[in-house]
Amino acid sequence: EVQLVESGGGLVKPGGSLRLSCAGSGFTFSNAWMNWVRQAPGKGLEWVGHIKSQTHGGTTDYAAPVKGRFSISRDDSENTLYLQMDSLKIEDTGVYYCILNPPYSDHWGQGTLVTVSS
Amino acid sequence: DIQMTQSPSSLSASLGDRVTITCRASPGISNNLAWYQQKPGKVPKLLIYAASTLQSGVPSRFSGSGSGTNFTLTISSLQPEDVATYYCQKYNSFPYTFGQGTKLEIK
Repeated sequence: EVQLVESGGGLVKPGGSLRLSCAGSGFTFSNAWMNWVRQAPGKGLEWVGHIKSQTHGGTTDYAAPVKGRFSISRDDSENTLYLQMDSLKIEDTGVYYCILNPPYSDHWGQGTLVTVSS
Repeated sequence: DIQMTQSPSSLSASLGDRVTITCRASPGISNNLAWYQQKPGKVPKLLIYAASTLQSGVPSRFSGSGSGTNFTLTISSLQPEDVATYYCQKYNSFPYTFGQGTKLEIK
């Protein structure tokens, strides 16, 4: 069974940094293209970014609001996806989810809550 | 970037009603569209992918149609457990934009 478990969220001040992790199991992680999606409190879903498998170059892409501040990486030996978040802003507050690339995005973890506040 | 316009933003319907939610992409995205359901306090659930393919385990009262720029999610007979917010998402190219969401309630 596919499982995705996010961790690393917490309270951070504006301008601070945080690194989120996503542990994947039940599928061949190294072959998977992975995404981060977030949801601000009471708001809709927002795509954050994506990383391809190493076989396809391991390239990344980001949504405009986070480009230059967030960085996605992966450790296939540990079946773990990362989201490094720097220069955090109040509007980055929300629950962060990792999912497989659509159309295989039928498994969602519980997410990890990031709160950016002074 | 391709814009995803979802409508309506909210919808109130009676049990047994046929409900339709639309999503428009500009420019077109072929059939690279997914629909998700998010019940209050829960994580999103994939309902439909490739615009019209029902995800395994999803009730057959849900259906999707469309290609190119115009897409539709239809619930053929609204049930109490369908109260949720529904989102479309494009995945033909980056960014994988979501629609704004449609909040569905029972009248």
